[in-house]
Parts: sequence; structure tokens; C-alpha cells
Amino acid sequence: GAVVSQHPSRVICKSGTSVKIECRSLDFQATTMFWYRQFPKQSLMLMATSNEGSKATYEQGVEKDKFLINHASLTLSTLTVTSAHPEDSSFYICSASKGWPGGDQPQHFGDGTRLSIL
Amino acid sequence: DAKTTQPTSMDCAEGRAANLPCNHSTISGNEYVYWYRQIHSQGPQYIIHGLKNNETNEMASLIITEDRKSSTLILPHATLRDTAVYYCIVRSNRDDKIIFGKGTRLHILP
Repeated sequence: GAVVSQHPSRVICKSGTSVKIECRSLDFQATTMFWYRQFPKQSLMLMATSNEGSKATYEQGVEKDKFLINHASLTLSTLTVTSAHPEDSSFYICSASKGWPGGDQPQHFGDGTRLSIL
Repeated sequence: DAKTTQPTSMDCAEGRAANLPCNHSTISGNEYVYWYRQIHSQGPQYIIHGLKNNETNEMASLIITEDRKSSTLILPHATLRDTAVYYCIVRSNRDDKIIFGKGTRLHILP
């Protein structure tokens, strides 16, 4: 089956630090990946669509200069939380689909990265 | 994307079939129904999806009504490991985005 891997699984750092999270599709190529954020006891909120070789598309209310997304290859997308503050503490999850956009292939999700800013 | 409505929570006895309902009355012709579940502190796990025919795989069955306005996910023999939040999602093949609602918190009782 399709496997999506995230790294790191957990990170704790000081306020003001920038944190990079990697999302890899291990056994398939993904032209599009998605980034979500989930606060405790809430549902997943879509942050942005990561497009290989082009700029990411951000959802309304998500600061693109705060959450930098790079999708440099068909198997890797990165999310960098710049100058992180305690309110950025959350569970960040990525997903990817095996098929080309427009198909019915399901999204497969990574196991998430728990970010804690002190 | 069409919105879905699910019960907030459900209980099911271990070993019994768990039937999780979902209403998607505004679904349009090119939209699929997907089911995912999220076990605590993990990423969502894909379960099954369908367009208009009933579907079955090793995890579950998906029953879609003829008018496609509702569906039911069936876990045939629930175990304690099936305790999770189950999300019913409607997604167009025009757009790969998945928008999550609040889902149903399923408790499997021993």
C-alpha cells in the first residue's frame, strides 16, 4: 500500500526557532501533497496544498510567510514553521495521493509531527 | 465540496458490527464518498471510498443509498482497536483537497 512518512515525529524547541518538517512518499510519486494542522480535541484543518515544482496554495487565514512550503521533488515536501511561538504548537500532518489530480485515488496520511514551542 | 453530517459519538459492543451513518444530501454527481479514521495521536487512516455502488474491502463495507444522499460504513466485527474518530468526507475528482468535518467518535465496549 501507499506509505507516507513524516519526520520528525515530535519536536520541542524554544520560541523564535524555525522548525522544518519533512513529508515523504516512500513508494510512489506525488505531484501534490497537503499539509494539515490539528489542535487538541479538534478536527484536522487544511493549511495548504503543496505542488511539485511550483508555489504552494494556502487556505484562507494561513500565513504563507509563516508556514513555508517547498515541494522540490515528487517524493518530498517540507513545511517550515518560521519564528515559531507557543501558539504554533500543534499536531502537523501531511498527506499525498498516488494518482494524478482528478482521479479518485485516496489520500494517504503521515503519522504526524507534534510540535511544542516553549 | 458537499458537507457531511455525522453523529458526534457512538458506542458498539466488541464483536458486533459497527454501523456508522453519514448524511451528504447535497452531494453532486462527480463527488465520491470517502471514509477515514483517526486513532488517537496518529495520522488519519484511509478505510474505503465509493461513488454509487456498494464497496467492500478487508477493513469495511460501504453502503451508499440509491439517491446517494447518505451512506453507512460497516465494520463487520468491531474490536477494541477500532476505537477511533471516523470521518465521512465527500470529495470531487476535480479537486484533490480533503476537508475534514468533526467525525464520529466510536467507542468499542469490551
